[in-house]
Amino acid sequence: LAKTTQPISMDSYEGQEVNITCSHNNIATNDYITWYQQFPSQGPRFIIQGYKTKVTNEVASLFIPADRKSSTLSLPRVSLSDTAVYYCLVVRDAGNMLTFGGGTRLMVKP
Amino acid sequence: ETGVTQTPRHLVMGMTNKKSLKCEQHLGHNAMYWYKQSAKKPLELMFVYNFKEQTENNSVPSRFSPECPNSSHLFLHLHTLQPEDSALYLCASSQGIAGGITSYNEQFFGPGTRLTVL
Repeated sequence: LAKTTQPISMDSYEGQEVNITCSHNNIATNDYITWYQQFPSQGPRFIIQGYKTKVTNEVASLFIPADRKSSTLSLPRVSLSDTAVYYCLVVRDAGNMLTFGGGTRLMVKP
Repeated sequence: ETGVTQTPRHLVMGMTNKKSLKCEQHLGHNAMYWYKQSAKKPLELMFVYNFKEQTENNSVPSRFSPECPNSSHLFLHLHTLQPEDSALYLCASSQGIAGGITSYNEQFFGPGTRLTVL
């Protein structure tokens, strides 16, 4: 599976838009890009999944360029409660085998 | 409420003890998973069950023994653990394991059991 690289940590302020970029240079044709969120002392929670172009749901948007070698998770107008670790995963066939990396620790400040 | 519950939430055990972790999902899912999250390592998949049958064992030592009596319950039996096994053990479930459909494979995680091995 393609290895993912994302920033270890990011800081933001309430009300700002946050963009977290993930690199996956060796992504395969049948790989999907999936993002999970994890709050302290809780299990991860699915945020969004996409294959190409743009996907949007009530929580976030996912931007994937044509070459699919990177993706950007966009969180609009973050609040303090968005402080969490965000994981970018490449998932073969959008299946069930999840390989987590280190994630990006997002700190939202007042 | 994620629909996946785990008990106990915290467990302290000695290396010679035998204990079990329990996971229950109330979502009508068919697949269940055990993950390990150590302080210094990424979340690691340990076992996968689909319709009560084990479909994945990610080279986990035999001191961890999973059991899935039905699609709603998953256990992790622990014996003669080592201090390095101290971690957060997370259970998850999904509707299935086939690929291609996001909602089918989205995994719902429980809150985890924080295990300390002395």
